Amino acid sequence: GESVGLHLPTLSVQEGDNSIINCAYSNSASDYFIWYKQESGKGPQFIIDIRSNMDKRQGQRVTVLLNKTVKHLSLQIAATQPGDSAVYFCAENAGNTGKLIFGQGTTLQVKP
Amino acid sequence: DAMVIQNPRYQVTQFGKPVTLSCSQTLNHNVMYWYQQKSSQAPKLLFHYYDKDFNNEADTPDNFQSRRPNTSFCFLDIRSPGLGDAAMYLCATSRDLAGDGEQFFGPGTRLTVL
Repeated sequence: GESVGLHLPTLSVQEGDNSIINCAYSNSASDYFIWYKQESGKGPQFIIDIRSNMDKRQGQRVTVLLNKTVKHLSLQIAATQPGDSAVYFCAENAGNTGKLIFGQGTTLQVKP
Repeated sequence: DAMVIQNPRYQVTQFGKPVTLSCSQTLNHNVMYWYQQKSSQAPKLLFHYYDKDFNNEADTPDNFQSRRPNTSFCFLDIRSPGLGDAAMYLCATSRDLAGDGEQFFGPGTRLTVL
């Protein structure tokens, strides 16, 4: 399953399938990007980050892809599990301000 | 071990009655942030401290104030809460302002205004 955060805020996938969550960022000067997972009633939890000098980074079951040409970021989750159900936010760091600019967020629903 | 701690987790206050939310960190990070998050929205930065240096976002209402008495603690004061201030308030920390490290978030305080 695939979503574009701004236009399709909810992504529903079958357990075991791969998920792709997309994000368009706004500032071409942003040099650091983070994906956060937020479960209901909890604070955002770090998943993975990537710097602007990279175009791909892999973690455990997650991969982040960065396309600076079109200012696009994606999060791929392999073998999606029920515990992955949450809202996923991309965030960009605008230069050395330390300020994170959050995207709209995408709700991931995993169907058993 | 908890790294960013927020108290209380749930706070109920009355319209116009001042309220203070608390955040503490065990990471010894230089920067502490306060975000407001309303239902189904992304966190919105209110202000941050770099050490003792306070930085207010341009669109943060005057009703919101903050104090950082030491490295570990930071408080959010809402002087006269309105119904529109009901939200989740998130505290976060980062080692520095440079874009080479994540922000660590606390569990949040959910504020209800009656």
